[in-house]
Amino acid sequence: KQEVTQIPAALSVPEGENLVLNCSFTDSAIYNLQWFRQDPGKGLTSLLLIQSSQREQTSGRLNASLDKSSGRSTLYIAASQPGDSATYLCAVRLGAGNMLTFGGGTRLMVKP
Amino acid sequence: GAVVSQHPSWVICKSGTSVKIECRSLDFQATTMFWYRQFPKQSLMLMATSNEGSKATYEQGVEKDKFLINHASLTLSTLTVTSAHPEDSSFYICSAKGQTSNQPQHFGDGTRLSIL
Repeated sequence: KQEVTQIPAALSVPEGENLVLNCSFTDSAIYNLQWFRQDPGKGLTSLLLIQSSQREQTSGRLNASLDKSSGRSTLYIAASQPGDSATYLCAVRLGAGNMLTFGGGTRLMVKP
Repeated sequence: GAVVSQHPSWVICKSGTSVKIECRSLDFQATTMFWYRQFPKQSLMLMATSNEGSKATYEQGVEKDKFLINHASLTLSTLTVTSAHPEDSSFYICSAKGQTSNQPQHFGDGTRLSIL
């Protein structure tokens, strides 16, 4: 059974810092991995999708890397802003038709 | 980009009421839709997966007769919480995925259900 773990569970940083969120998964035979953002009381917004054959994806100040062999992914946020405050979730899919398995999330607070 | 619309966003009703939540994919055909439940400060728990035109597949521990799922078209799925009770109060989120397997899965904004 695939298990997804996110560390840290919560993070508070001052504005402007670069930060790294970690995601690890137990079954390395994944199909793809997706990072999401969730604001309080809202649904999920897809940030980045990394296919199993890819090593990283970038979107603006966000960069996600994938190391399948070690079962890890990181989400790098450059020059953090208060508007980045949210919960960040990573999720992996084992096969094309399989469901997403979510980590517990990292609650990020960026202080002005 | 792809959009998933979920309605209503917030429901407050009396115990015993049945509540229907709609999930629509606005600009793509959702061959598969997922329904999740989320408790405060916890991650998403998958309740069921539905493919258009077929019966939903429920996760272990989810009551089929309590949570009725219909996926009659490629753009609409509904979740009906039958005879809702206070313990059914939660945040319900739908998600949709198209036919192309390497595309991201998109989520609705969620429905906050409060049963009095």
